[in-house]
Amino acid sequence: EVQLVESGGGLVKPGGSLRLSCAASGFTFSSYSMNWVRQAPGKGLEWVSSISSSSSYIYYADSVKGRFTISRDNAKNSLYLQMNSLRAEDTAVYYCARTQLVAGGMDVWGQGTTVTVSS
Amino acid sequence: SYELTQPLSVSVALGQTARITCGGNNIGSKNVHWYQQKPGQAPVLVIYRDSNRPSGIPERFSGSNSGNTATLTISRAQAGDEADYYCQVWDSSTEVFGTGTKVTVL
Repeated sequence: EVQLVESGGGLVKPGGSLRLSCAASGFTFSSYSMNWVRQAPGKGLEWVSSISSSSSYIYYADSVKGRFTISRDNAKNSLYLQMNSLRAEDTAVYYCARTQLVAGGMDVWGQGTTVTVSS
Repeated sequence: SYELTQPLSVSVALGQTARITCGGNNIGSKNVHWYQQKPGQAPVLVIYRDSNRPSGIPERFSGSNSGNTATLTISRAQAGDEADYYCQVWDSSTEVFGTGTKVTVL
């Protein structure tokens, strides 16, 4: 079964750091670009970052550029998001999602992990 | 930055057709993807590249894209189609999501 499982969320104080992980299974992880997408409470979807299959191409939303770092370990079938200098507005459910080969669109999503930034 | 505008809400009678629009500058030149999200669940891809359905998505879901508007059409609406729907495109090295539309089936 194709699956993505996020972990690492929690409560953190403003200015703090957190590292999210996404474990992939059931498909050839190293062939796919991957994404982080977040959703603040009661709000819509917001793209955070994308990374190509070999990590050659990395992109960030302006709202997280310079604070968040996306990375992957194809040997471990894992995707990561290092989040530094966290702000209250970073509070959200964070999803990892797979980009379909060729056609685009995010066809597999994890269940999400919740990040709460509060003092 | 590129923006995608969707109506806040759309209501449809059971068994009728709902149309959800996604407006963006010259969106017809881009590949548009659509997602369905039910409360407490992760999004699900229902249309990719304007008008293609992933396996497992009912034929009742269809899409079109031209000019400045992309449209997701839900035919013969069912109670289970009640959800939030988001369009999405890739523009200038960023993924952009629409503002989202809440579909209510009456």
